[in-house]
Amino acid sequence: AQKITQTQPGMFVQEKEAVTLDCTYDTSDQSYGLFWYKQPSSGEMIFLIYQGSYDEQNATEGRYSLNFQKARKSANLVISASQLGDSAMYFCAMRGNTGRRALTFGSGTRLQVQP
Amino acid sequence: NAGVTQTPKFQVLKTGQSMTLQCAQDMNHNSMYWYRQDPGMGLRLIYYSASEGTTDKGEVPNGYNVSRLNKREFSLRLESAAPSQTSVYFCASSEKAGYPAEQYFGPGTRLTVT
Repeated sequence: AQKITQTQPGMFVQEKEAVTLDCTYDTSDQSYGLFWYKQPSSGEMIFLIYQGSYDEQNATEGRYSLNFQKARKSANLVISASQLGDSAMYFCAMRGNTGRRALTFGSGTRLQVQP
Repeated sequence: NAGVTQTPKFQVLKTGQSMTLQCAQDMNHNSMYWYRQDPGMGLRLIYYSASEGTTDKGEVPNGYNVSRLNKREFSLRLESAAPSQTSVYFCASSEKAGYPAEQYFGPGTRLTVT
């Protein structure tokens, strides 16, 4: 079974500052993928970034980077230079390489960017 | 490309009524999924279809049925709606069931059962 834990129900950050959203995971799969999705108030799910368990380098996509620490089973999302449009729910998810191979989601973190 | 489309966007049902949520994707993906999202929670898998002609139960399948009509379409049916099925329903698709294929989500259907 897979489990994703996001311990921060809500976070505040000042505009232009960096923020880290925490995610820890648990799985018995040797090979797996970690994902972050953004859900703005309009409700759609927007893919942000992906990290494979065997990737040696941390993933980056523009202002998003994933701080992957395999031994600690953590996959934190770092948003640099926060913008007002970054205010949203953020979900960490994972998929293993066995079984149903659908995404398992955490409960999410609501980020509010303040001017 | 429309990506993943879902109909309807909103629906109100009375307890015991039935309805079908429609989902279609135009990305030629093999795998399709149905999730539900309850307030304050992440998405939970209801059913999925790894390829045309196959369907399997997810984490919360009770009260639902699915049909993979063809490669493009994957419908979710509530035979006798219950208030506990009030939720936002998301359809998603991916190129293949294996890792690391990213999933693309539809806009969601907000369902209220009274």
